[in-house]
Amino acid sequence: DAKTTQPTSMDCAEGRAANLPCNHSTISGNEYVYWYRQIHSQGPQYIIHGLKNNETNEMASLIITEDRKSSTLILPHATLRDTAVYYCIVRRYSSASKIIFGSGTRLSIRP
Amino acid sequence: ETGVTQSPTHLIKTRGQQVTLRCSSQSGHNTVSWYQQALGQGPQFIFQYYREEENGRGNFPPRFSGLQFPNYSSELNVNALELDDSALYLCASSPVGASGGSYNEQFFGPGTRLTVL
Repeated sequence: DAKTTQPTSMDCAEGRAANLPCNHSTISGNEYVYWYRQIHSQGPQYIIHGLKNNETNEMASLIITEDRKSSTLILPHATLRDTAVYYCIVRRYSSASKIIFGSGTRLSIRP
Repeated sequence: ETGVTQSPTHLIKTRGQQVTLRCSSQSGHNTVSWYQQALGQGPQFIFQYYREEENGRGNFPPRFSGLQFPNYSSELNVNALELDDSALYLCASSPVGASGGSYNEQFFGPGTRLTVL
């Protein structure tokens, strides 16, 4: 599975859009981009995933560049409850084993 | 909130002891994975079980072992505890259909915080 690079920390004002970048320059053609988040003292929570098209669900939007070497997770209206560590992960859709977590981005939402 | 539960919530052991951690998977999920998360780091994959058989293992020594039961609950056993085993232990379950897909939406439990003194 390919590796990813994320900023160590970010902050965002409550109510504004939070844009979390991720670089995955060695991604392979059959690998998807996944995002998870981990709120303090809880297990990681799946947010969204995509291959090459932009995706949107009730939690977030995922924008993947045309060359697929980077992506951005967008939380459209950040709230205090979005304060968490966000992990960008690249892996094959039918991978039968591990999720490789990096260190993630610690997102702080300020009132 | 997922349907994955873990017990106990917290546990304190001393070096050299053995520990068993338990996980109850979400209903209908037949695959379970275990992760170790040291303070300030991302979770590290320990191993995965599918239909009661080990189905992939990370870079952990044999003193880390597991079991999965017919009802898809599972255990993580760690023998000869070391100080560095202090961590949050997470289990994650996922559904795998007849097509073999959907390993990827893993649903995590809240974890067991293990402290080794």
